[in-house]
Amino acid sequence: ETGVTQTPRHLVMGMTNKKSLKCEQHLGHNAMYWYKQSAKKPLELMFVYSLEERVENNSVPSRFSPECPNSSHLFLHLHTLQPEDSALYLCASSQGPLPGTASSYEQYFGPGTRLTVT
Amino acid sequence: KNQVEQSPQSLIILEGKNCTLQCNYTVSPFSNLRWYKQDTGRGPVSLTIMTFSENTKSNGRYTATLDADTKQSSLHITASQLSDSASYICVVSGGTGGFKTIFGAGTRLFVKA
Repeated sequence: ETGVTQTPRHLVMGMTNKKSLKCEQHLGHNAMYWYKQSAKKPLELMFVYSLEERVENNSVPSRFSPECPNSSHLFLHLHTLQPEDSALYLCASSQGPLPGTASSYEQYFGPGTRLTVT
Repeated sequence: KNQVEQSPQSLIILEGKNCTLQCNYTVSPFSNLRWYKQDTGRGPVSLTIMTFSENTKSNGRYTATLDADTKQSSLHITASQLSDSASYICVVSGGTGGFKTIFGAGTRLFVKA
């Protein structure tokens, strides 16, 4: 295990539902990430939090709403999703980055949540 | 534009054979390159990290090479095992206008008995 856990592991939801994905890291890291992984596509970075402050948002639709209440927990709130949002959602954590600095810190990934939107 | 291209897209080899996966990138300026292994249904796990001054790095049966001049990297797997069946993802960090981490689409490796 990498020290990063995600729940649930699988989620099926309708387009009108509201659900949340949870990520928890036990590594003492200060940065956390949400990625979307679609079949045969590169991982897409969605959000980055460093020291509980959002430092990057890669033009993600507002139907995805992140929350980082502390450095160990990260949530992704979902509402009115589309079928094309079906994918594997991966959470990761690392020692960095700190805002405004370059980082080569290794990211440790959770097992992901397989999301299917019907 | 910062890009990472991997080849082949998928590969089938027999157990015990060697194979080499390729990664070409255009990320500049370059900071580091990582190879990740992702088993089905799990998150990626780092195999190696290479910086500008490093040409080769090994992790057991995995050996990564880096040519920073041609912006190419390879991952060589020796004496493959069934457990090597996975996706292998090349990740390059660097870039201008803010530090970026760019992921390749991965190579799907199937090792058959």
